[in-house]
This record gives sequence, C-alpha cells and structure tokens, in this order.
Amino acid sequence: AQTVTQSQPEMSVQEAETVTLSCTYDTSENNYYLFWYKQPPSRQMILVIRQEAYKQQNATENRFSVNFQKAAKSFSLKISDSQLGDTAMYFCAFMKHGDAGNMLTFGGGTRLMVKP
Amino acid sequence: EAGVTQFPSHSVIEKGQTVTLRCDPISGHDNLYWYRRVMGKEIKFLLHFVKESKQDESGMPNNRFLAERTGGTYSTLKVQPAELEDSGVYFCASSQRPANYGYTFGSGTRLTVV
Repeated sequence: AQTVTQSQPEMSVQEAETVTLSCTYDTSENNYYLFWYKQPPSRQMILVIRQEAYKQQNATENRFSVNFQKAAKSFSLKISDSQLGDTAMYFCAFMKHGDAGNMLTFGGGTRLMVKP
Repeated sequence: EAGVTQFPSHSVIEKGQTVTLRCDPISGHDNLYWYRRVMGKEIKFLLHFVKESKQDESGMPNNRFLAERTGGTYSTLKVQPAELEDSGVYFCASSQRPANYGYTFGSGTRLTVV
C-alpha cells in the first residue's frame, strides 16, 4: 500500500515571496504519477500540477514547480511570487501507473496562508 | 464545460437518519469517484464507477453506505442509518479514461451528524 505524508500542517508566506510545500511518499512501485491539488476556502479542489515518475524533468506550470526526487521519494511544490489567491489547502497525491481504478492516495494536506 | 456538481453543499442530520448525497459528473466522463475527508484526516477513497458499474468499492466503510450511478450519469451516495463518525466532507470527482491526467473534483458535501 502507498502512503503520502505532508509534514507541514500549516504554512504562511508573504505576498510576492516564494514558499515550498513538502511531500514524501512510500511505495514499492516504479511507475506512478504524483499530483498537487489546491482547495481554496469553500471551493472545489483543482489540479495544480502533475508529475510522471518515469520523467526526470520536473514539472512546471507558471508560478508552480515541483522538485521531484524519485530516489528520496520526495515531491515538493514551490510557489513563486505568491499571490493572495494562492491561499488554500494543498494536497499531495499519488496514483499507481496502470491501475485500472486510478485511485488517488492523498496526504493530510498543508494549509497555506498568503499574507499581504 | 460544466464542472462536477455536488449537492447539497451542507447537510446536518441526526444520528440514525438517512442522507443521500448527489453528484453530477462532467458529461462524457466515464469514471466517477467518491472520496471523503473525516475530522481533518487524509482524504480517503470510497469507490469508483466506470459508467454504471462499480469498478472498485474497497473503500466503502460498511454496509450503511450505498452508492449508485443511474445509467452511467449522476451518482448518489446514501448513508443509512447515519452515525456520528460519518461526519466529514464527501467529495465526488470524475475523469475521462485513463485517469492519470487527474480528476475534476466537485466542491464537496459537508455532512454533520449530531
């Protein structure tokens, strides 16, 4: 079974600064997918970024980038130039490759507050 | 396109009562998932439909929970009778196949059992 751990329950950052959210996972799989989801207050969860484990290049989506360290089983999210709208719960999630069900295993979440 | 819609957004019921949650996935998405987050813990998988068939219901906690997906369109999750430990946020998500590009989630239903 897979486990996902987010060791930072809460974080805060000043607007325009950079923040990194940590995520580690445990799996015996070699091929898999990793995701970061964002849930703003009282709104739906949206996909921020996705990483394929067999790709060494770190995924990037505008101000969001990941540092994927496969050997260390680490998948951190970096938010550059933080904006007030980045205030949200952030969930790291794991999905096995080739899993017919494509079930997601989530971490406990990190609550990020961006301060003006 | 319309997103994944869940209702009600909030529900407060007494222990022993019945509650039915509804999810309308994105049109054309064969995959439909139910997850829940209880008491600030991790979000946990409940079950997965492919069209109208249950692909995986290994996460359903017990037989008080019943999920259906009529004609492969919307889905309902019924809790009968509700217990205090059922309180939490119930998320629905849908995806095309394969799902490894990620799901589209609904806003969730916050269920409080008192």
